[in-house]
Amino acid sequence: EAGVAQSPRYKIIEKRQSVAFWCNPISGHATLYWYQQILGQGPKLLIQFQNNGVVDDSQLPKDRFSAERLKGVDSTLKIQPAKLEDSAVYLCASSVGSEGYTFGSGTRLTVV
Amino acid sequence: SQQGEEDPQALSIQEGENATMNCSYKTSINNLQWYRQNSGRGLVHLILIRSNEREKHSGRLRVTLDTSKKSSSLLITASRAADTASYFCAPSGAGSYQLTFGKGTKLSVIP
Repeated sequence: EAGVAQSPRYKIIEKRQSVAFWCNPISGHATLYWYQQILGQGPKLLIQFQNNGVVDDSQLPKDRFSAERLKGVDSTLKIQPAKLEDSAVYLCASSVGSEGYTFGSGTRLTVV
Repeated sequence: SQQGEEDPQALSIQEGENATMNCSYKTSINNLQWYRQNSGRGLVHLILIRSNEREKHSGRLRVTLDTSKKSSSLLITASRAADTASYFCAPSGAGSYQLTFGKGTKLSVIP
């Protein structure tokens, strides 16, 4: 079974620029999550999709972050404009129900 | 969703020793999951224990759950340098697919 694919692996941008991350979940996994992990902390949920609908985006900074999951498969997370404090690893995960998430390897974003 | 709190925050042991890390949570759960994260990588699901189970084994991993104390422990026996990683617990309540993670326990296994 293929894992959760994320790209790019690394990204360096200047503050106020925009950036987008892509995630392809495991086939058949209806639920998809984006997490932000700042160095030294645990992952923090940004948004949860069920198929192509948003279940929870309460912790997504909507003034600068947006996410979509067209056709209930792939998802993109965008930041525009980026701030220094957005430097983090962005993790995508997918699941069937709540019993075991599969995570991608993440995208490490550095904002300078 | 609720967050588990791992303890200790950091643990350093010699290769071959056992490592024990603990997790506490606040409200009733359906299951509790443990994940491992190697530096710079995504989290990997290790083991899930349901609320009606008290102990579960998987290879060198042993997980216990005490719902009366709202706590769980993860024991890694005969540790190896490759076990060096951060370990997170994630309690999951009824009707929620969402997992919330604490700061984890950072385990260092010294060869």
